[in-house]
Amino acid sequence: SQQGEEDPQALSIQEGENATMNCSYKTSINNLQWYRQNSGRGLVHLILIRSNEREKHSGRLRVTLDTSKKSSSLLITASRAADTASYFCATDEGSSYKLIFGSGTRLLVRP
Amino acid sequence: SAVISQKPSRDICQRGTSLTIQCQVDSQVTMMFWYRQQPGQSLTLIATANQGSEATYESGFVIDKFPISRPNLTFSTLTVSNMSPEDSSIYLCSVDRGRHEQFFGPGTRLTVL
Repeated sequence: SQQGEEDPQALSIQEGENATMNCSYKTSINNLQWYRQNSGRGLVHLILIRSNEREKHSGRLRVTLDTSKKSSSLLITASRAADTASYFCATDEGSSYKLIFGSGTRLLVRP
Repeated sequence: SAVISQKPSRDICQRGTSLTIQCQVDSQVTMMFWYRQQPGQSLTLIATANQGSEATYESGFVIDKFPISRPNLTFSTLTVSNMSPEDSSIYLCSVDRGRHEQFFGPGTRLTVL
């Protein structure tokens, strides 16, 4: 069963605007990762945030983690048309390396 | 990160046949995983493939349908056996280098007619 739910399911914004995607999960986790998938291709690893971290940055990406609310957000600033893709969160728990994926957010950045 | 390749990148197969997908990594890794992504859906783990041991399958996936080999630390194969149209999906392998960061291959897009 899927651990995470993401919202919105789809997001359409203008180039230059910021995009925020949210991920919620159900159980205690060790780590949460965000991935990007372009047009049904492979997944590109964006960022990993550990359960004892609250915020991480990578370029135009900002990820937050709130373990009390069992939620994470991915912010893409100054979006570009090339950011158009599906974005997935994935969590792992306990001693398992198994990833459980959220349902994904489809982002469309209009030029 | 890791450089991961998969073969084939896509295939169209007839029902009742089998397809073997290869996953090659540019360096030795202990843990490899196989996922399925059905059309319009998220990813679901099929099995964990560690070198030197039998693959561990997730609920709903069985070895007879999805046999896996892991002959060494850089290579694995997943076979989709006796295919039906419901097996049409993207199949992805991934690796974990021990820090819980998983990196994915480019995927194999399978269409079963």
